[in-house]
Amino acid sequence: AQSVTQLDSHVSVSEGTPVLLRCNYSSSYSPSLFWYVQHPNKGLQLLLKYTSAATLVKGINGFEAEFKKSETSFHLTKPSAHMSDAAEYFCVVTPSGTYKYIFGTGTRLKVLA
Amino acid sequence: DTGVSQNPRHKITKRGQNVTFRCDPISEHNRLYWYRQTLGQGPEFLTYFQNEAQLEKSRLLSDRFSAERPKGSFSTLEIQRTEQGDSAMYLCASSPGGIRFQETQYFGPGTRLLVL
Repeated sequence: AQSVTQLDSHVSVSEGTPVLLRCNYSSSYSPSLFWYVQHPNKGLQLLLKYTSAATLVKGINGFEAEFKKSETSFHLTKPSAHMSDAAEYFCVVTPSGTYKYIFGTGTRLKVLA
Repeated sequence: DTGVSQNPRHKITKRGQNVTFRCDPISEHNRLYWYRQTLGQGPEFLTYFQNEAQLEKSRLLSDRFSAERPKGSFSTLEIQRTEQGDSAMYLCASSPGGIRFQETQYFGPGTRLLVL
């Protein structure tokens, strides 16, 4: 079964420093992968998605992710963290042949002033 | 605003009572999804509709849960004889309904259920 593993449940960074949120997937096929962000009391918002057109995917708010098949990874990065980036981040996979999402357990990002 | 809307936003009920949640998808979106999110976890898939047809149900959806989308527009999720373990955030999402599996789902704000 296809799944995603988010390797860190909590990540703390200082404002202005790089962000790295790690995600590994398991899949027999070329997967569809997404990153969503969830701010407190707000709905899930799409950051970016991998559609096999390019391995480096750029998203909103300066985030990007690189699909690495050899490492089965889809890590999310941002060069410089902002206070407003503090939120819960979810890596998501769509299993082959279905439209439903399978979510990771989430990574809570804390940004320190 | 033409996003996904959910009502009510919060619901407190006593164990054994029935509750019903409503989801209004983005206009003209053919697919509608329900997920459940418990504290500290990622959302878990419950079911989805293509227009009015319920095409997939998770094993999480016990006999006490039923979902409908009668005219292919809004959807309701009913939980009968609620249990404390049903306490969670119930999320609705919709997507346009194309043929590609990389389709983006747009999420509503959720309905938070607390069963006492």
